Amino acid sequence: EPEVTQTPSHQVTQMGQEVILRCVPISNHLYFYWYRQILGQKVEFLVSFYNNEISEKSEIFDDQFSVERPDGSNFTLKIRSTKLEDSAMYFCASSPDRVVGYTFGSGTRLTVV
Amino acid sequence: GQQLNQSPQSMFIQEGEDVSMNCTSSSIFNTWLWYKQDPGEGPVLLIALYKAGELTSNGRLTAQFGITRKDSFLNISASIPSDVGIYFCAGRDGGSQGNLIFGKGTKLSVKP
Repeated sequence: EPEVTQTPSHQVTQMGQEVILRCVPISNHLYFYWYRQILGQKVEFLVSFYNNEISEKSEIFDDQFSVERPDGSNFTLKIRSTKLEDSAMYFCASSPDRVVGYTFGSGTRLTVV
Repeated sequence: GQQLNQSPQSMFIQEGEDVSMNCTSSSIFNTWLWYKQDPGEGPVLLIALYKAGELTSNGRLTAQFGITRKDSFLNISASIPSDVGIYFCAGRDGGSQGNLIFGKGTKLSVKP
């Protein structure tokens, strides 16, 4: 079964540092997403990406966040200057189109200290 | 913004019992999805519903897309210990670019 792969599984960073979370979506999928889940809370949408550009983003996805698909297989989420409240699980997801349910990766646990 | 109300928040049941959980929304959705999340893992898609009134099964799981398009339920029959986890409903409206709105989850515990 094809998988969405995320690395690293856990990242600890100092407040103010930049982090890059990496994802390899399923190879024939065209739509890519980042979600986050603060411990014990619901999964929240951050951003969707299609055709090499952002399709939609939430209020959470402010100027500190950016996404990139640098080489046709990786899909990255960068947080420029991390804050304590950025600590969460970050999930990447991909889907072949806008209609079907999509596949999530196992997540990266980001801890900002 | 759009919100999903998922209930119950948690359930403690005996192995073999049936389980029912539901979600309601303040607005119309054109897709309802049910995911299960195990600790430390990403959500795994269980059932996807695309039409009002649709009833779909996946093994012991059955879900329905409400005819008002504002609600959905998930039933699990004859629960087993590995059903333990958090179940999330998620919905998508016609105007979105595919992003999902998630409910707060139902935490299921099963006593053997």
